[in-house]
Amino acid sequence: DTEVTQTPKHLVMGMTNKKSLKCEQHMGHRAMYWYKQKAKKPPELMFVYSYEKLSINESVPSRFSPECPNSSLLNLHLHALQPEDSALYLCASSQVWAGELNEQFFGPGTRLTVL
Amino acid sequence: AQSVTQLGSHVSVSEGALVLLRCNYSSSVPPYLFWYVQYPNQGLQLLLKYTTGATLVKGINGFEAEFKKSETSFHLTKPSAHMSDAAEYFCAVSVRDDKIIFGKGTRLHILP
Repeated sequence: DTEVTQTPKHLVMGMTNKKSLKCEQHMGHRAMYWYKQKAKKPPELMFVYSYEKLSINESVPSRFSPECPNSSLLNLHLHALQPEDSALYLCASSQVWAGELNEQFFGPGTRLTVL
Repeated sequence: AQSVTQLGSHVSVSEGALVLLRCNYSSSVPPYLFWYVQYPNQGLQLLLKYTTGATLVKGINGFEAEFKKSETSFHLTKPSAHMSDAAEYFCAVSVRDDKIIFGKGTRLHILP
């Protein structure tokens, strides 16, 4: 299985809602990533988990809360978002070999719209 | 600091013509370089990658790229464009084991 799955595919939420995005992989990868991609822009890294521990937080606002409950799952909890947070949210995973090239495998993304 | 620059936000080629997408990198250490493709409303798919060794790298869907250290370039080519190649292409550089930086992307248009 060389697939990263993301649910839901589309999400519409109000600014007072709480929702979660889910990402799953069964490739035995020990690094998982959240990216945000605005239209016609490259993906921007938000968070990296390595061995289920948060290793990178790219100064993301606290209304985004990541969680890695186990090595196969990655969640992104959303609360009190703003309309400018509307974007495609991509999850990726990779091996963790120090000093090696760790190819990232991407999921199809969740298209989030904040009203 | 590592970075990549993609020349041309839009490139149009005729079906059957050569595809050339340009990428220049900046890196203080030997870089790991990638090309990713993104079709509309989809995630990113790795086309090819350069680590060390052979400078001409072959990828999927008939694409290849050549690492030229003297020119700090990693241009993507395909001898004959197909309509299905229309997509957004991102060049990227690895800045550490778990972080890559993407270029701004090039939208490839295929003309019938």
